[in-house]
Amino acid sequence: GAVVSQHPSRVICKSGTSVKIECRSLDFQATTMFWYRQFPKQSLMLMATSNEGSKATYEQGVEKDKFLINHASLTLSTLTVTSAHPEDSSFYICSARVRGKGNQPQHFGDGTRLSIL
Amino acid sequence: AQKITQTQPGMFVQEKEAVTLDCTYDTSDQSYGLFWYKQPSSGEMIFLIYQGSYDEQNATEGRYSLNFQKARKSANLVISASQLGDSAMYFCAMRAGTYNAGNMLTFGGGTRLMVKP
Repeated sequence: GAVVSQHPSRVICKSGTSVKIECRSLDFQATTMFWYRQFPKQSLMLMATSNEGSKATYEQGVEKDKFLINHASLTLSTLTVTSAHPEDSSFYICSARVRGKGNQPQHFGDGTRLSIL
Repeated sequence: AQKITQTQPGMFVQEKEAVTLDCTYDTSDQSYGLFWYKQPSSGEMIFLIYQGSYDEQNATEGRYSLNFQKARKSANLVISASQLGDSAMYFCAMRAGTYNAGNMLTFGGGTRLMVKP
């Protein structure tokens, strides 16, 4: 089945550091990937839709200069949290869907736990 | 806009018994898809089952079945013969609109299921 790989799985870093998270579709091409953020004991909130070869579409309230998304190829999207601060600490998870029938589910990466000290 | 509501923040079930997790949705689209995902404490999102708005039969996947009542806009997940490994967060999600790789998912707030031995 379709596999999405997300790296790193956990990051702990100092305030002010920029952190890059990679999301790869391993056995399929994904023209669209999605980035979600999840706070403890809460649901997934869509941050942005990453489109290969074009600018990402950000959800309302998400700072595009803070959360830089690059989707340079059909198998890779990256999310960079720039100048991260403690309030950016969260669980970030990406997903992608195989093009085709509508019953194809979104396949998720294993997520990245980001902790900013 | 789409909305997914899961009214049960937490539930207990005895091992080997069946349990129903509630999900109601709201959309003005005629074509949509409903998904259930399981999220264990490790964080990954595991796809369980899918129901299309035009599917006449309720979806089933092993011990999982979806009780789809279109007129009531509900898509409850039924887990039969609960196992200890079923303890996790469960999210109901909806993709609205026609089939498109760019369709995002809207998630409900989730239900934490705890299986008692």
